[in-house]
Amino acid sequence: EDQVTQSPEALRLQEGESSSLNCSYTVSGLRGLFWYRQDPGKGPEFLFTLYSAGEEKEKERLKATLTKKESFLHITAPKPEDSATYLCAVQAWRGGYNKLIFGAGTRLAVHP
Amino acid sequence: EPEVTQTPSHQVTQMGQEVILRCVPISNHLYFYWYRQILGQKVEFLVSFYNNEISEKSEIFDDQFSVERPDGSNFTLKIRSTKLEDSAMYFCASRGGNNEQFFGPGTRLTVL
Repeated sequence: EDQVTQSPEALRLQEGESSSLNCSYTVSGLRGLFWYRQDPGKGPEFLFTLYSAGEEKEKERLKATLTKKESFLHITAPKPEDSATYLCAVQAWRGGYNKLIFGAGTRLAVHP
Repeated sequence: EPEVTQTPSHQVTQMGQEVILRCVPISNHLYFYWYRQILGQKVEFLVSFYNNEISEKSEIFDDQFSVERPDGSNFTLKIRSTKLEDSAMYFCASRGGNNEQFFGPGTRLTVL
């Protein structure tokens, strides 16, 4: 069964304190791994898609990396506005129309 | 920037009543999805829709649920006889030629 596990569940950082969020996955044939940001009461906001081990993507203070078993979202010098829940999702080759299977998310709080 | 829109933002209904949740996907997208998120839980896939038919559905998407694209712009989710356990945030998503799914802001459904 396809599965996504994110850790930690919650993370509290001081402004400027860099850290990483983990997403480990089990899927029979990974088509893509996705990172989203979700603010309270809002829909997931697309951040990155990664397709193959060794791939990296960057956007402002965020960098996502992918291995054959997990992905990391590195946050460099975070600011309070980076506070949100970060969701990881996988997409399998099996099945035609590519549903996303989500993890439970990591709740990030960045304090000034 | 194009975005997915959803109405209403909040729907309150009595158990057993029918509800219709509406979505306007991004205009040149061809693939449409509904997901739901029960409070404090993961985002879960419900159904995908392409070329005017359901392409995949989850176990949650039973006979009480239906989807429709009544015209060239709207995409709807109908729940025929709501249950208490249908209370959740419902997210519409759409995807174009690349593999990125963009989510709407959600409809909060409360079943009393």
